[in-house]
Amino acid sequence: QQQVKQSPQSLIVQKGGISIINCAYENTAFDYFPWYQQFPGKGPALLIAIRPDVSEKKEGRFTISFNKSAKQFSLHIMDSQPGDSATYFCAARGYSGAGSYQLTFGKGTKLSVIP
Amino acid sequence: DADVTQTPRNRITKTGKRIMLECSQTKGHDRMYWYRQDPGLGLRLIYYSFDVKDINKGEISDGYSVSRQAQAKFSLSLESAIPNQTALYFCATSHTGQGFNEQFFGPGTRLTVL
Repeated sequence: QQQVKQSPQSLIVQKGGISIINCAYENTAFDYFPWYQQFPGKGPALLIAIRPDVSEKKEGRFTISFNKSAKQFSLHIMDSQPGDSATYFCAARGYSGAGSYQLTFGKGTKLSVIP
Repeated sequence: DADVTQTPRNRITKTGKRIMLECSQTKGHDRMYWYRQDPGLGLRLIYYSFDVKDINKGEISDGYSVSRQAQAKFSLSLESAIPNQTALYFCATSHTGQGFNEQFFGPGTRLTVL
């Protein structure tokens, strides 16, 4: 079974600090690695995504670092703010046949940024 | 803006009852998905559909069925609800195309089975 392992399960960071969430995968056929952000009472929303031929992608304060040889990728949130408090899911896209793809999600990390 | 709408938002029901969760979208996307979210387990795919005539099982389809009534509507049914189907259910949509196609999620339906 395809899996994406995410850690930590929860994270508390002080305002202005760096939040780091890690994910690992086994299936080398995964071809996209997105991160989703979910606020309480809302559905997940795409935050940032990376392809495996790129080692790093940055969008504002959010950066994905990708290590293809180690089969690991991580989300870094610089200058973390209380508004970043949310649950973050990493995911990986895999081909499931007949032209279709599926996302496999990690179990999520609940981030709390304290003032 | 409610591009992906789910009804009801909350539902409490009893074991053995039949339940239908509905999803509508105004994004014009052809692909629709149903996920289940449980604390500590992340999001797991129940069923997905790439057009009106296409229905595919996901990771955890047992105990569930779906119907794609139109391109914009995708409903999830629990024929005989059981307590371990208590969860948060999300509908999502995406379009077909090259590259990574973002999935857009609805606001979710919280289902409690007593």
